[in-house]
Amino acid sequence: DIQMTQSPSSLSASVGDRVTITCRASQGIRNYLAWYQQKPGKVPKLLIYAASTLESGVPSRFSGSGFGTDFTLTIGSLQPEDFATYYCQKYNGAPWTFGQGTKVEIK
Amino acid sequence: QVQLVESGGGLVKPGGSLRLSCAASGFTFSDYYMNWIRQAPGKGLEWVSSIINRGTTIYYADSVKGRFTISRDSAKNSLYLQMNSLRAEDTAVYYCARGRPELDYWGQGTLVTVSS
Repeated sequence: DIQMTQSPSSLSASVGDRVTITCRASQGIRNYLAWYQQKPGKVPKLLIYAASTLESGVPSRFSGSGFGTDFTLTIGSLQPEDFATYYCQKYNGAPWTFGQGTKVEIK
Repeated sequence: QVQLVESGGGLVKPGGSLRLSCAASGFTFSDYYMNWIRQAPGKGLEWVSSIINRGTTIYYADSVKGRFTISRDSAKNSLYLQMNSLRAEDTAVYYCARGRPELDYWGQGTLVTVSS
């Protein structure tokens, strides 16, 4: 099975910072990758699909890139409401594995 | 608007069974992948099972294969997860999610606790 590895597992950042989270697949998955945001006690929210397509209603400060095995989620200017845990997920076929998550905390 | 409402969670003893339901509304149920995702307390998201193409194609995570059964009833716009031989490590919030296949709508989740 393809493994999904996110880095870092957590990071501390300040409002206004540019934040980058990476997700690496153990085998190529083309662009079948999604990113989700989950705030404490809340349901996960789809941010990006097809590696770089912004879901409707998601602020443009979020962006995604990558193809094959290496992917990134970038938050252009971190806002207070962006402090959350972020997950990548492959969906090129079963199992639809998630990364272990990256917790973005306030510095 | 799209709504997914899970039910059926609760406390069950190891080795016991439970059936989760997910009532869907606001979209054409048969047009979408339907999925179960779980999250153990304080842990990350784990994909559990998916049902595609009106139920003709089904996938399970290795951790639940042979114990869990996913099904869907398009007449009732409902998704189900029959969970047998439950273990302590199955304790989690179970989410129902609509797939495109990326997961664009999630229910609020139902808590399953497996404990003696």
